[in-house]
Amino acid sequence: EPEVTQTPSHQVTQMGQEVILRCVPISNHLYFYWYRQILGQKVEFLVSFYNNEISEKSEIFDDQFSVERPDGSNFTLKIRSTKLEDSAMYFCASSEASLRVNSPLHFGNGTRLTVT
Amino acid sequence: DAKTTQPNSMESNEEEPVHLPCNHSTISGTDYIHWYRQLPSQGPEYVIHGLTSNVNNRMASLAIAEDRKSSTLILHRATLRDAAVYYCILRDYNTDKLIFGTGTRLQVFP
Repeated sequence: EPEVTQTPSHQVTQMGQEVILRCVPISNHLYFYWYRQILGQKVEFLVSFYNNEISEKSEIFDDQFSVERPDGSNFTLKIRSTKLEDSAMYFCASSEASLRVNSPLHFGNGTRLTVT
Repeated sequence: DAKTTQPNSMESNEEEPVHLPCNHSTISGTDYIHWYRQLPSQGPEYVIHGLTSNVNNRMASLAIAEDRKSSTLILHRATLRDAAVYYCILRDYNTDKLIFGTGTRLQVFP
């Protein structure tokens, strides 16, 4: 069964550094998402992306965050200047159609980001 | 966003049915009920969704109360692999996001 893959599985970075988290969504999917989960807390929505545009974003997704689909297969999340509180598991997800028509989201297994 | 209430944890024995309840008394007419689960050290996984009628798929069944103020996810025969956190989520029809709560942690014993 096709799956969403995320790399790296664990990334350690220093506060203030830029970090890029990479995801390869399922190949025929058109909608892409990032969620995060701080250790021991809820899974939180960050952003949804379709047709090379952000379609929805949360309050967490401020100017320090950006997303890109640079080459038609990868979907990336960039954090420009990481803070300690950005430490979390970041999940990429994709779906064949919009969640607005209840298309199931397929999640990757996450990248654990540790900011020191 | 409308809220859901789920028990923090439940236990089951292997091969027994499991009924995972969810209360959503403030549900609106346009909210869809979604269930996802998160196995240890993995990302969330879609289980099932519904609006008004009961739904079945290969993973589970979803029973929705007539007034839609509650629903129950039914695993017909629990396996050890079903041990996970199960999230009941209300999705507004006009949004692209899922709002996860704290879910129910299901333990399955051999």
